[in-house]
Amino acid sequence: GESVGLHLPTLSVQEGDNSIINCAYSNSASDYFIWYKQESGKGPQFIIDIRSNMDKRQGQRVTVLLNKTVKHLSLQIAATQPGDSAVYFCAETGGGADGLTFGKGTHLIIQP
Amino acid sequence: SAVISQKPSRDICQRGTSLTIQCQVDSQVTMMFWYRQQPGQSLTLIATANQGSEATYESGFVIDKFPISRPNLTFSTLTVSNMSPEDSSIYLCSVRGLAGSAGDTQYFGPGTRLTVL
Repeated sequence: GESVGLHLPTLSVQEGDNSIINCAYSNSASDYFIWYKQESGKGPQFIIDIRSNMDKRQGQRVTVLLNKTVKHLSLQIAATQPGDSAVYFCAETGGGADGLTFGKGTHLIIQP
Repeated sequence: SAVISQKPSRDICQRGTSLTIQCQVDSQVTMMFWYRQQPGQSLTLIATANQGSEATYESGFVIDKFPISRPNLTFSTLTVSNMSPEDSSIYLCSVRGLAGSAGDTQYFGPGTRLTVL
């Protein structure tokens, strides 16, 4: 079936460096993509989203890039901080009444 | 974003029993969903909770095992029936369609951590 997956399960970066988390999706009908951050013992927290008619969107310290040609999504976090340590999930949906399909998750570890 | 609360936050249950999880939102929402997150795994959609009608279940999930109610636009329940240790997971409520937000933005509650012995 259609799925959303991540390339790397764990990513370790130095505090202050930039992080890039990647995600591949296979459903070409996906219209809307979201990145979530999940800290231990908590529910997923919305970070940033992007629609299929865009290829880049920026937030505060985060940027999401969408490459529809190769069905690839990435989350860039600038100047990582200890509070960025968490598991990051990409998710996609065709919109409407559809729920979200989640990727496997990447555990981001910030080294001091 | 909305404030989403779930009760209980965690529970330890005996096999064969049932547990009902409540989800309350502080504002009306168009859509409510229930997800499961098994230990160390990603999230999987169980069903869409429909107000005033039967929930829409994803492949692999059935109403007899996971009955869902949604009596109004701010509240839903998920019951995990006849539990077995394989049902040990985090169960998450999610909402979409908050007044004043983009239609597709989806938010999650804190989750209910269930352990079945």
